[in-house]
Amino acid sequence: GQQLNQSPQSMFIQEGEDVSMNCTSSSIFNTWLWYKQDPGEGPVLLIALYKAGELTSNGRLTAQFGITRKDSFLNISASIPSDVGIYFCAGPRATSGTYKYIFGTGTRLKVLA
Amino acid sequence: EPEVTQTPSHQVTQMGQEVILRCVPISNHLYFYWYRQILGQKVEFLVSFYNNEISEKSEIFDDQFSVERPDGSNFTLKIRSTKLEDSAMYFCASASSTDTQYFGPGTRLTVL
Repeated sequence: GQQLNQSPQSMFIQEGEDVSMNCTSSSIFNTWLWYKQDPGEGPVLLIALYKAGELTSNGRLTAQFGITRKDSFLNISASIPSDVGIYFCAGPRATSGTYKYIFGTGTRLKVLA
Repeated sequence: EPEVTQTPSHQVTQMGQEVILRCVPISNHLYFYWYRQILGQKVEFLVSFYNNEISEKSEIFDDQFSVERPDGSNFTLKIRSTKLEDSAMYFCASASSTDTQYFGPGTRLTVL
């Protein structure tokens, strides 16, 4: 079935460091989304990417939509303790008149103060 | 800023009991979804709902599951006879178009 693979699976970093994570798929997506999930909470949209090659920033976050439309990366600069959480990529798949999201396997980020 | 809300935040039930999870989508949204996340795993699509009917459902969404929009504001997920493996976080999401979906905070369902 369709799967989005994220790497790394988890990472520990020091506060102030930059973080990079990526998401790959065996099939093409026309949109890529990055969500963050805090413990016990729902996913919160961070960045949406709509065009191949697009590079988009949201504060300390930067994400790029790969040229092949089969991958995307998310960078976090100067990490802070509240960046802790699980980061999911997601891609929409057309269904009957709408889309369902396929979520990636997640990258768990832990920031050491 | 408008947001999706869900109640209850945590539901504990006995195996075989019926549960209803409630969601209030963002008010001008027309597309509604339920997703599930088993502890430590990724978020999985359950069902999409538009124009008062199911658009698509996953293989997880069997005959024990149903959805309803009983009035203009609520969107519910019913599990008729819960099983232990139904224990998970259930997220409601809504969208104004076939575009970005916004997720609620989730209901943690624990089946004993």
